[in-house]
Amino acid sequence: EVQLVESGGGLVQPGRSLRLSCAASGFTFDDHAMHWVRQAPGKGLEWVSGISWNSGYSGYADSVKGRFTISRDNAKNSLYLQINSLRPEDTAFYYCARAYTSGWRGYFDLWGRGTLVTVSS
Amino acid sequence: SYVVAQPPSVSVAPGRTASITCAGNNIGTKSVHWYQQKPGQAPVLVIFYDNDRPSGIPERFSGSNSGNTATLTISRVEAGDEADYYCQVWDDTSDYVFGAGTKVTVL
Repeated sequence: EVQLVESGGGLVQPGRSLRLSCAASGFTFDDHAMHWVRQAPGKGLEWVSGISWNSGYSGYADSVKGRFTISRDNAKNSLYLQINSLRPEDTAFYYCARAYTSGWRGYFDLWGRGTLVTVSS
Repeated sequence: SYVVAQPPSVSVAPGRTASITCAGNNIGTKSVHWYQQKPGQAPVLVIFYDNDRPSGIPERFSGSNSGNTATLTISRVEAGDEADYYCQVWDDTSDYVFGAGTKVTVL
């Protein structure tokens, strides 16, 4: 089955760190760029970060630049998001999303079910 | 940074047509993609490259894009179409941009 499964979310105190994971299956992982998109409870979608098929290029939203680091391991069919210096405004569902192609720009044709990150003391 | 605007809500009777707009400066020069999100679920792509449908998406879903407005049209609306709909573009200064979303209510 073609799917993305996120993990690693939870309740975290402000200032702490967290690492999210996304396990891909059912398709050729390194044929696609991969992304993280988040959604605060009751709010809209916000692109967070993306990485090209071979990790040669990555991009970040201004709101997370310098605190978030995206990476991937094509041998393990996995995508990661390292989140440092967590803030209450980072509270959101974090979705792993597949780009339709290996390159940049375009759209997301497959989404995971998301993992919830809650930042609170 | 590039910004797109969507109406917060659209209401439509079953069997009628719903139109959801996505407004942005010269958005007609960009490719627009649309996602459907039902409560408690992940987004699903319903339209890509302005008016292409992924396999499995009904023909009732169509799109257009010209000038400063892109539009998602849902014909013969059904109760199961009730959801939030998001437009998305790629911009070379802002990367991936989503609209704030439109809640479609089927009366």
